[in-house]
Amino acid sequence: LAKTTQPISMDSYEGQEVNITCSHNNIATNDYITWYQQFPSQGPRFIIQGYKTKVTNEVASLFIPADRKSSTLSLPRVSLSDTAVYYCLVGREAGKSTFGDGTTLTVKP
Amino acid sequence: EPEVTQTPSHQVTQMGQEVILRCVPISNHLYFYWYRQILGQKVEFLVSFYNNEISEKSEIFDDQFSVERPDGSNFTLKIRSTKLEDSAMYFCASMVGKRQGLSEKLFFGSGTQLSVL
Repeated sequence: LAKTTQPISMDSYEGQEVNITCSHNNIATNDYITWYQQFPSQGPRFIIQGYKTKVTNEVASLFIPADRKSSTLSLPRVSLSDTAVYYCLVGREAGKSTFGDGTTLTVKP
Repeated sequence: EPEVTQTPSHQVTQMGQEVILRCVPISNHLYFYWYRQILGQKVEFLVSFYNNEISEKSEIFDDQFSVERPDGSNFTLKIRSTKLEDSAMYFCASMVGKRQGLSEKLFFGSGTQLSVL
């Protein structure tokens, strides 16, 4: 699994868009980028996965530039319930690796 | 959405005792994993299991740990002689399969909180 760097924490307010960037300079050609969300005392939950350009689903968008050395998870109009830790994983076998430190997002009213 | 279920949700044991943590993965999934998370720390990979055998394990997964899929539906993690430092939340996860060897979506259970006294 490629080494990733994310901000340790971020604060936002309800209704705002939140962008969390992950750096992965040594991403390999076949690596996918996957984001998970974890609430306290719960298991991580898959949010989105992508390889290049942009991917959008019902909860988030993932932006990946052409060089793929970083990616940005975008959460539109966050609510208090989006307060969680967000993990960026990069690799072909993400299931076989320890998660990184993640980004603790705190959404305030 | 289908779920991975884990039992018990909390387990308290004495140091040196054996514990078995149980998981029921999603029924059509083929790949199974155990992770642990010590309070305030990272989600750590322990072991992956496919086709009735361990496919990979971390350095944490020593001889005190074992996994089993005894009946085609349950997936268990056994710790033979628990230590204080085994206290953690243990997560089971499963995955349906792999597309040409690429990473797929993992489904995690809600975890078993193990407390070793």
